[in-house]
Amino acid sequence: DTAVSQTPKYLVTQMGNDKSIKCEQNLGHDTMYWYKQDSKKFLKIMFSYNNKELIINETVPNRFSPKSPDKAHLNLHINSLELGDSAVYFCASSPGGGVDTQYFGPGTRLTVL
Amino acid sequence: AQSVTQLDSHVSVSEGTPVLLRCNYSSSYSPSLFWYVQHPNKGLQLLLKYTSAATLVKGINGFEAEFKKSETSFHLTKPSAHMSDAAEYFCVVRPLNAGNNRKLIWGLGTSLAVNP
Repeated sequence: DTAVSQTPKYLVTQMGNDKSIKCEQNLGHDTMYWYKQDSKKFLKIMFSYNNKELIINETVPNRFSPKSPDKAHLNLHINSLELGDSAVYFCASSPGGGVDTQYFGPGTRLTVL
Repeated sequence: AQSVTQLDSHVSVSEGTPVLLRCNYSSSYSPSLFWYVQHPNKGLQLLLKYTSAATLVKGINGFEAEFKKSETSFHLTKPSAHMSDAAEYFCVVRPLNAGNNRKLIWGLGTSLAVNP
């Protein structure tokens, strides 16, 4: 009964390809997030959705497009992958309503060759 | 502006000795404060959080942190390190004025090594 799950765990692909990472949470949370962690472990928020509505959109190339079909899912689609996109991508969720503990998925390690 | 500074990028201790990971924050408003841990090749796990209740917060795995407003600090401590504590630790701040903005401010992390 995994709380926040991501697929795939590892993703190796060529430059220029389009790929998606899926995230699902079964915690009943209202808010979901995508983070990028670079090779120096720096964690940077990319997007946040609350009840399928975008509430945080950091300065992220528009090659990155989040999609939230329902509040339990927040998928990340990346077009025209570049070498610099190689990183670990974490999905997270939080209850919302001022309760801010975020629960993280196991991460997806993306390698662009 | 809000920010968080983890004062040490690397800390090395011997097994059985105390752990101190330092964190200072800057916030115009009373913040919520968190410590997360990331074990090698794993996701992030919440260790503990402070949300304006008791200033000494106890977390999992024997860790605790004390909120000191006068020093704008939230240092993480553990009396006796265990080999399994070796990981990356992140101090995180969320200013309470943020309203519906659930954006957290993350420190750059402190890598804890535990030597036998």
